[in-house]
Amino acid sequence: AQSVAQPEDQVNVAEGNPLTVKCTYSVSGNPYLFWYVQYPNRGLQFLLKYITGDNLVKGSYGFEAEFNKSQTSFHLKKPSALVSDSALYFCAVRAISGGYNKLIFGAGTRLAVHP
Amino acid sequence: GAVVSQHPSRVICKSGTSVKIECRSLDFQATTMFWYRQFPKQSLMLMATSNEGSKATYEQGVEKDKFLINHASLTLSTLTVTSAHPEDSSFYICSAREAPTGRETQYFGPGTRLLVL
Repeated sequence: AQSVAQPEDQVNVAEGNPLTVKCTYSVSGNPYLFWYVQYPNRGLQFLLKYITGDNLVKGSYGFEAEFNKSQTSFHLKKPSALVSDSALYFCAVRAISGGYNKLIFGAGTRLAVHP
Repeated sequence: GAVVSQHPSRVICKSGTSVKIECRSLDFQATTMFWYRQFPKQSLMLMATSNEGSKATYEQGVEKDKFLINHASLTLSTLTVTSAHPEDSSFYICSAREAPTGRETQYFGPGTRLLVL
């Protein structure tokens, strides 16, 4: 079955410290992986994606993610967290189902950055 | 980046009425649009996928007669919640994907919060 797992409901980090939000996936074929961020009462904002090429992908707002094929992971990272990074983060993988290509989302991880 | 808008951002209606939500891709042509529903503190649940000019494909368990989707142009899709009931109250988010160019990114609208009284 095609799926995305975000094992942590919440991640707490102090401002200025590095952060990691974990994501693992299960999909047939080559994975297309995405990270989105959601602020309260807003839609999702695209952060970054991995399609092919370098395993380390750089995205918006200083975020990056590393694709690890052997561990089927695509963890989101940032070297120095900001309080404004506090939000809900979703990992997603493109899957083909019923002849259609669509995104499957993880359950989301709430990131709380404390001053 | 690509911009997707939704209107209205918030709507309150009486039980039994119908509500229409519009989703527009502002600076690109979206051959495929998606409608999601999100419950509080939960992930997004895909309701349906619509391709311009053809009927929407609904996910299992989603009533197509209740959630009418129209994707009449490359920049506009609408979701109509017919005969809304309180259990339809939710946050509805649309998403659009650009015509196939090798890019795979879906861009999301800001969401519409529906409250049915």
